[in-house]
Amino acid sequence: SQQGEEDPQALSIQEGENATMNCSYKTSINNLQWYRQNSGRGLVHLILIRSNEREKHSGRLRVTLDTSKKSSSLLITASRAADTASYFCATDAGSGGGADGLTFGKGTHLIIQP
Amino acid sequence: DAGITQSPRHKVTETGTPVTLRCHQTENHRYMYWYRQDPGHGLRLIHYSYGVKDTDKGEVSDGYSVSRSKTEDFLLTLESATSSQTSVYFCAISEWGLSTEAFFGQGTRLTVV
Repeated sequence: SQQGEEDPQALSIQEGENATMNCSYKTSINNLQWYRQNSGRGLVHLILIRSNEREKHSGRLRVTLDTSKKSSSLLITASRAADTASYFCATDAGSGGGADGLTFGKGTHLIIQP
Repeated sequence: DAGITQSPRHKVTETGTPVTLRCHQTENHRYMYWYRQDPGHGLRLIHYSYGVKDTDKGEVSDGYSVSRSKTEDFLLTLESATSSQTSVYFCAISEWGLSTEAFFGQGTRLTVV
C-alpha cells in the first residue's frame, strides 16, 4: 500500500511560474525524500528532509515538512521546460536499520508550457 | 551518474518461462533494491538486500526471487513469468539504507506475452 500520496496528480503551468506539489503520508517517518523521473528514465534524487527539519532548500527547490499534519510540499521556483517530469515523494516507514525500502507515492506529473 | 547498470533494458518473454534481470553497481553500496513501476501504482518494492547473501521480501514479492552473491550484483528472477509481471523494473542502491538517498538504474521494460 502507498505510504505517500501526491497532490495534484497532474499540473500544467507556464514557464517561469512556480510549481507546488504536495505529499501526504500515513505513519511516522524518519525522513521524506523527493525524486524526479523524466519520461522513460530512472528516478533521480532531489532532496531529503529529516523528521526534525521543517524546511530545506536546494537551488530552485524548497521542501517543507509538517509532521503534525503528516504532509510535505515541494516548491519549484521559476520553472523551466526541463522541469517537465513526474515527481514522487518517498518515505521510510521502516525500522531505521536500512530494512525495507522507500515507500513511494503515485507521483505528480508536471508539465511546463513554453 | 551513480554507477548502476541494469540488463537487459528491454525484454519480451513468453508466459511460463524463467527470466532473470541483472543489476550491477560500481559504488560498493551495501543496500540494493528491486522495484516495479506500474501505471496507477507508482513504485512498489519487490525485494531488497542489505549485504551479500542477505535479502528480504518487499511489498510485492510473490512470484519473484533474488540473489546477491557479490556486493556489486543483485539478480531478480521470475521463476515462471506471468502477464501480471509485465512492468518496468528498477534497481536502486543506497549506501546507508533508508537514511540516505537512493540511486536508480535506467530500468528494464519487461513484457510477458
